[in-house]
Amino acid sequence: DAKTTQPTSMDCAEGRAANLPCNHSTISGNEYVYWYRQIHSQGPQYIIHGLKNNETNEMASLIITEDRKSSTLILPHATLRDTAVYYCIVRPYSGNTPLVFGKGTRLSVIA
Amino acid sequence: EAGVVQSPRYKIIEKKQPVAFWCNPISGHNTLYWYRQNLGQGPELLIRYENEEAVDDSQLPKDRFSAERLKGVDSTLKIQPAELGDSAVYLCASSPGPASSYNEQFFGPGTRLTVL
Repeated sequence: DAKTTQPTSMDCAEGRAANLPCNHSTISGNEYVYWYRQIHSQGPQYIIHGLKNNETNEMASLIITEDRKSSTLILPHATLRDTAVYYCIVRPYSGNTPLVFGKGTRLSVIA
Repeated sequence: EAGVVQSPRYKIIEKKQPVAFWCNPISGHNTLYWYRQNLGQGPELLIRYENEEAVDDSQLPKDRFSAERLKGVDSTLKIQPAELGDSAVYLCASSPGPASSYNEQFFGPGTRLTVL
């Protein structure tokens, strides 16, 4: 079973920041927080991951609380192409443990 | 660089018929995964290969599902016979391997199976 809890759906106006929350209160010390997204009719796509520090890449920023029990994925300037299901996943970094997906958050970016 | 390739993209069959899905992972990726995604749900792991060895097949329904990864490159997932409940999207993913410090998984577009 997935170890994360996410809202079922969210809306965001085009050009605004999209903030997607995730709760992972049972996260272990060796587990990282990963975010993937799945655009309609495509496979999931990696976005970003982090352990305890905030992370930023060309796609998004990841803010992890100090107690690591929750995190927020931030898309700074959402576009229509960011409409997708966003999955928050916790897993150990080492090895190739499979991804355990929940139902994710369906983000709709509205013009 | 080519991504994970899957074929066919769509398949419609009648129940009790056999069906096979093919996956070509990213070149050099030693780990290959097959996931199944039911409508409205996240993907669920069916089987994981390290090179040609199936190292995690605990979620694969072995009475009707089989998989192989000959020579540790391409992989085939087979269902025989198919049931109505097998209708889903079958996703293949690959990653560099456990020895790599970079273990992001790359997914193919999936095969959408409809069993009538």
